[in-house]
Amino acid sequence: KQEVTQIPAALSVPEGENLVLNCSFTDSAIYNLQWFRQDPGKGLTSLLLIQSSQREQTSGRLNASLDKSSGRSTLYIAASQPGDSATYLCAVSTNAGKSTFGDGTTLTVKP
Amino acid sequence: GAGVSQSPSNKVTEKGKDVELRCDPISGHTALYWYRQRLGQGLEFLIYFQGNSAPDKSGLPSDRFSAERTGESVSTLTIQRTQQEDSAVYLCASSVHSGTYVQETQYFGPGTRLLVL
Repeated sequence: KQEVTQIPAALSVPEGENLVLNCSFTDSAIYNLQWFRQDPGKGLTSLLLIQSSQREQTSGRLNASLDKSSGRSTLYIAASQPGDSATYLCAVSTNAGKSTFGDGTTLTVKP
Repeated sequence: GAGVSQSPSNKVTEKGKDVELRCDPISGHTALYWYRQRLGQGLEFLIYFQGNSAPDKSGLPSDRFSAERTGESVSTLTIQRTQQEDSAVYLCASSVHSGTYVQETQYFGPGTRLLVL
């Protein structure tokens, strides 16, 4: 059974700081890994999707890496802003379409 | 274009009643997913539809839960004889699938907040 763990559960940083969120998974037989953002009371917004054959994806100030063999992914956020405050969720998917989510990291960026 | 929509946005029901939740995926998306999110927790997979294939129901927590999808459009999630532990946000997502079953980006609806009294 796939298990996804996200560390830390919560993180508070001052504005402008660079930060890294971590995601680990127990079964390396994945097809892709996706990072999402969830704002309070709202649905999820996809940030980055990394196929199993890829090592990283970048979008603006976000960079996600994937090390499938070790079962790890990181989401790097550069020059954090208060608007980045949200819960960040990591999800891994199998070829059957089923996704397993971590419990998320709640990020607070202080002005 | 229109995103994934869900209705109702909020539902309050009494224990023992049946509820039906609706999801309208993005047009052209062949894959549809239902998840449950309890307060302060991550998403829990419930069921997955892909085209005309048999759905993956492995995440449904009990036989009180069922879901249907009409072709490649609307889906309904039905919870019979609701219990207080069913209280959660129910999220629906849709995605495009390539012929090689590689899953594409999932697009989520705003969710239905269910409260069972």
